[in-house]
Amino acid sequence: GNSVTQMEGPVTLSEEAFLTINCTYTATGYPSLFWYVQYPGEGLQLLLKATKADDKGSNKGFEATYRKETTSFHLEKGSVQVSDSAVYFCALSSGGGADGLTFGKGTHLIIQP
Amino acid sequence: DADVTQTPRNRITKTGKRIMLECSQTKGHDRMYWYRQDPGLGLRLIYYSFDVKDINKGEISDGYSVSRQAQAKFSLSLESAIPNQTALYFCATSDGQRQYTGELFFGEGSRLTVL
Repeated sequence: GNSVTQMEGPVTLSEEAFLTINCTYTATGYPSLFWYVQYPGEGLQLLLKATKADDKGSNKGFEATYRKETTSFHLEKGSVQVSDSAVYFCALSSGGGADGLTFGKGTHLIIQP
Repeated sequence: DADVTQTPRNRITKTGKRIMLECSQTKGHDRMYWYRQDPGLGLRLIYYSFDVKDINKGEISDGYSVSRQAQAKFSLSLESAIPNQTALYFCATSDGQRQYTGELFFGEGSRLTVL
């Protein structure tokens, strides 16, 4: 079945540091890949997505590239801010008979001023 | 106003009680979902519905039931709540026309505590 593995947290960085959150997946077929973000006390919201191999999703300074050869979709940002503190979820959609998304366990990111 | 609204936002109840969490949406989407979030476990799918007449079990449906009263409303019930159902519950929607991208739109969550 489908699965998503992402690095355990919490990840603590200083403001303006470079961020990488690793995500790898197992899926049949050609899944779409997502990063969702959950700010404190809120629901999840889509941060970025990629629907086919070599696509790069980007939003709010975050980027992730769909790498089929390594089954990865790592999230990166060049210079993080305190406001980026949140829980980040990697997810995939296979588009097959079972709907919904398969989520990773989430990575709690803490940015210190 | 939020496009996906969940009620109640917080609920404390006792073991054995029946609980209903409600979700309504104004996005006009045909597909609705209930997820459960637990610390360290991420989100797990409980039930999903493609339309009013189509209900499907997800990964962890035992102990839960759902009702799709209308295209815009999808309720989750716990017939006899137990403490390990203490969690944060999320309703989500998607547009069936976007089936192959799978983007979901989430409500703000309902925090349930079972004592």
